[in-house]
Amino acid sequence: GENVEQHPSTLSVQEGDSAVIKCTYSDSASNYFPWYKQELGKGPQLIIDIRSNVGEKKDQRIAVTLNKTAKHFSLHITETQPEDSAVYFCAASKGRAAGNKLTFGGGTRVLVKP
Amino acid sequence: EAQVTQNPRYLITVTGKKLTVTCSQNMNHEYMSWYRQDPGLGLRQIYYSMNVEVTDKGDVPEGYKVSRKEKRNFPLILESPSPNQTSLYFCASSLGTGSSGYEQYFGPGTRLTVT
Repeated sequence: GENVEQHPSTLSVQEGDSAVIKCTYSDSASNYFPWYKQELGKGPQLIIDIRSNVGEKKDQRIAVTLNKTAKHFSLHITETQPEDSAVYFCAASKGRAAGNKLTFGGGTRVLVKP
Repeated sequence: EAQVTQNPRYLITVTGKKLTVTCSQNMNHEYMSWYRQDPGLGLRQIYYSMNVEVTDKGDVPEGYKVSRKEKRNFPLILESPSPNQTSLYFCASSLGTGSSGYEQYFGPGTRLTVT
């Protein structure tokens, strides 16, 4: 089955700096790659996603890149703010054929220091 | 407000005492799933459902049951809970069709402790 690895497990950045989280996946049939943000005591919240037919997607300070050949994708947060502090998860999915099942990475705890 | 709700949010129980965690969504979503979250392992899928009366196993189904008698509800049943089922549980739903059909929305979580 699919295996998703996520690095680093913890990331501390100064406010205003950029943060980058990297994930690799094993199944070339995966075609949907979402990123979730989880704040303390809450469920994961989708922040951005990318399909396999797109190499990059951006939404304000957040961007995701996908390299299908190398089977890796990354989350970039620019101009970090204290409210970006949370646990971030990457995931991979083969879509509706697999019931939209998400295989998650282990998570990255991001701390933005004021 | 569009949302996925779970009850209870917190539950402490003893080994072997049957329990049910309820999940409900008000978005008319076709697909629903249950995940468990354990430190360092991310979230792992337990069961999923693609429609009413259609359910299938995820990656870690042992010790769990589900049912989907109505579109909006997808309860998780632990017939005989054991301490290794102590975890944080999340229900999720997705539309299943259309350009945004892949997007999954998660409930607030249920923290279960089995002693």
